[in-house]
Amino acid sequence: NAGVTQTPKFQVLKTGQSMTLQCAQDMNHEYMSWYRQDPGMGLRLIHYSVGAGITDQGEVPNGYNVSRSTTEDFPLRLLSAAPSQTSVYFCASSYSKTSNTDTQYFGPGTRLTVL
Amino acid sequence: KQEVTQIPAALSVPEGENLVLNCSFTDSAIYNLQWFRQDPGKGLTSLLLIQSSQREQTSGRLNASLDKSSGRSTLYIAASQPGDSATYLCAVSNQAGTALIFGKGTTLSVSS
Repeated sequence: NAGVTQTPKFQVLKTGQSMTLQCAQDMNHEYMSWYRQDPGMGLRLIHYSVGAGITDQGEVPNGYNVSRSTTEDFPLRLLSAAPSQTSVYFCASSYSKTSNTDTQYFGPGTRLTVL
Repeated sequence: KQEVTQIPAALSVPEGENLVLNCSFTDSAIYNLQWFRQDPGKGLTSLLLIQSSQREQTSGRLNASLDKSSGRSTLYIAASQPGDSATYLCAVSNQAGTALIFGKGTTLSVSS
């Protein structure tokens, strides 16, 4: 198994540009989520999904969209990038539909800089 | 609102020492607590998961304990090695089971 994969590893955007961060898992996990990690802030949840076709907002959802058309993929879209979205983005997944019973598996992260 | 605090923020020890990392949380109504390791520029790797009904979990040189009533967990690392150098993160699940609430981590440096 490849586990949780994320692309790209690094990205530089200009303010106002849009892009999609890709996340895929090959473990048939139901639960997938996106976190951002900022210095001094810890990891914060952006969006999550408990299965194909089901998504919901986390703690910091503004400026981000998600969709879950398949079990394997959970892309994160930035509609109009802002400097405040400069961060490291992590995708995570777990077998069960909730985060409170299973080990969470994290991807390697995408480091995004918005100029 | 659940808050997770990790003390100390950074720790430096010589190789071979036993050490303890601390994690505290404000709401004792948790479902589980997980300890993760993060190497510089890398993702998070789960080390130990303790269910709310458990008191401790062990994996190799690592032992994690959980005291829900006092809102505390400790990660004990025995006979530390330079390869243990990393940031250790503690996280608890929110009541809905939809997210993990993370502490800011303890950065450990083990010198040879």
